[in-house]
Amino acid sequence: DAGVIQSPRHEVTEMGQEVTLRCKPISGHNSLFWYRQTMMRGLELLIYFNNNVPIDDSGMPEDRFSAKMPNASFSTLKIQPSEPRDSAVYFCATQGGWGNEQFFGPGTRLTVL
Amino acid sequence: AQSVSQHNHHVILSEAASLELGCNYSYGGTVNLFWYVQYPGQHLQLLLKYFSGDPLVKGIKGFEAEFIKSKFSFNLRKPSVQWSDTAEYFCALKETAGNKLTFGGGTRVLVKP
Repeated sequence: DAGVIQSPRHEVTEMGQEVTLRCKPISGHNSLFWYRQTMMRGLELLIYFNNNVPIDDSGMPEDRFSAKMPNASFSTLKIQPSEPRDSAVYFCATQGGWGNEQFFGPGTRLTVL
Repeated sequence: AQSVSQHNHHVILSEAASLELGCNYSYGGTVNLFWYVQYPGQHLQLLLKYFSGDPLVKGIKGFEAEFIKSKFSFNLRKPSVQWSDTAEYFCALKETAGNKLTFGGGTRVLVKP
């Protein structure tokens, strides 16, 4: 298995632009998590899905952030409009079954100028 | 709400030294506990996990952790570190009934050759 796949690996954009981050979970994993990592705030859970349904989005910072999981093999995290303070590494993680560990993707390093 | 504290933010030690990283959590119920490692520029990888049973858990790369319920602790240990153990280490907690991981702030470990 290729593991969790994220794209792009690096994204540089200008303030105000729309940014879309993508995640392909490990096949068969039914839970998907989006995290943001910064020096100041550490690792924060933004949102997670079970069986494609959003369960907890309390970590989504504001309305500029949205996430979707249209099917079991794909999820997106969108920021519109982006701001410099959104610069961070965004990780997607997936989990198969109840109680198992989460497997992390390689992350997307986002820089908003 | 549950929380995880890692009191050491930075640790510097020499090769062959012993390592112990502290992790304390706050939660009244039954928990699953994890240690993840993040090597420079890479994603988080699972080192070890505790779900139940023997409170001394052995993980990959010679790491182990001990769950002490009375102290709400899950400290990570390695008897003799190598330069390649330079990384950031994260302790995480999950309620047994849920999917959501709560991470500590991380401890950056630098092993000098």
